[in-house]
Amino acid sequence: AQSVSQHNHHVILSEAASLELGCNYSYGGTVNLFWYVQYPGQHLQLLLKYFSGDPLVKGIKGFEAEFIKSKFSFNLRKPSVQWSDTAEYFCAAEMDSSYKLIFGSGTRLLVRP
Amino acid sequence: DARVTQTPRHKVTEMGQEVTMRCQPILGHNTVFWYRQTMMQGLELLAYFRNRAPLDDSGMPKDRFSAEMPDATLATLKIQPSEPRDSAVYFCASGLVGQGSNTEAFFGQGTRLTVV
Repeated sequence: AQSVSQHNHHVILSEAASLELGCNYSYGGTVNLFWYVQYPGQHLQLLLKYFSGDPLVKGIKGFEAEFIKSKFSFNLRKPSVQWSDTAEYFCAAEMDSSYKLIFGSGTRLLVRP
Repeated sequence: DARVTQTPRHKVTEMGQEVTMRCQPILGHNTVFWYRQTMMQGLELLAYFRNRAPLDDSGMPKDRFSAEMPDATLATLKIQPSEPRDSAVYFCASGLVGQGSNTEAFFGQGTRLTVV
């Protein structure tokens, strides 16, 4: 079955620490990949997306993600987190042009000042 | 500033009552999604529409849930009868899918439903 897995459910970091959140998908065909962020009490907002081309994509607020096809992964990274990055992060995939977005279970990030 | 609008933002209802949640997608978008978010299950896709036609509603309990798009500016999600386990935040999202455009879902603020 098509699915998206996020390995870390909770991550706690201090400000200025580097961040990497894991995301894997299970599908052998064409995928479009997304990272969304949900700040406390708010709706989901798009951080970045990958459709094709350069596998290293840059998004808003200093986030980037790398698509590694051989590993079925799309990990999110940020070199130096801020307290304001405290939020829940969701990886999502659209598989084989199905127009159906499947989300991972989310990773709650807490950044301590 | 184009946005997806959901109403109501909050709803508290008694078990057994009918609940209707509404969503106005971004003008021109041809795809609408309904998601349910809970602590236990995360974000679950309930149903999605393209050009007002349901493409997949397999994530939705058929006996009590129904989703429709009466027109291009309105999507509805109805629960009848509601149960306490339906308590969740329900998100609507819309996107433009097709040649020359890519799937990117824009989310509404959600409807927080509490069934007591």
